[in-house]
Amino acid sequence: GENVEQHPSTLSVQEGDSAVIKCTYSDSASNYFPWYKQELGKGPQLIIDIRSNVGEKKDQRIAVTLNKTAKHFSLHITETQPEDSAVYFCAASIGPDKLIFGTGTRLQVFP
Amino acid sequence: DADVTQTPRNRITKTGKRIMLECSQTKGHDRMYWYRQDPGLGLQLIYYSFDVKDINKGEISDGYSVSRQAQAKFSLSLESAIPNQTALYFCATSDSGRSAQYFGPGTRLTVL
Repeated sequence: GENVEQHPSTLSVQEGDSAVIKCTYSDSASNYFPWYKQELGKGPQLIIDIRSNVGEKKDQRIAVTLNKTAKHFSLHITETQPEDSAVYFCAASIGPDKLIFGTGTRLQVFP
Repeated sequence: DADVTQTPRNRITKTGKRIMLECSQTKGHDRMYWYRQDPGLGLQLIYYSFDVKDINKGEISDGYSVSRQAQAKFSLSLESAIPNQTALYFCATSDSGRSAQYFGPGTRLTVL
């Protein structure tokens, strides 16, 4: 079955710096890759997603890149702010019914 | 997401008790999911339902059961709770034909 590995498990950056979180997946048939942000005491919130027919997608300060050959995808956050501090999860899916999640990255942005 | 609500938000119970967690949504989505979150393990799928008459097991369904009472309501039951079912439980919804899933605020369950 599908397996998703996520690195690093923790990431500390200075406000204004960039942050990059990387994920690899095992099933080459995976075609949908969302990223979720989870703040303390809340449910995961979808922040950006990408499909396998696209190599990169941007939304203001966040971007996701996908390398299908290498089976990995990354989340890039530029100009980080303290409110970006949260746990971020990547996921991969073959279809719309099952998401396989990575184990999460705790991002801390220091002022 | 305020469109997906879960009750209760916190629950403490004892080993052997039957527990029901409830999820309601006003997003009009036909697909609903139950996930479990443990520290350091991400989210794991327990059950999912594509419509009222369709129920499917996920990765970790043992010890759990579900009921889809209506398109907007999906309940998760622990028939006889055990301590290793202590975790955060999340409900999610999605629209058929679209992959994005939207999560509720979660239920923190503690089994003593």
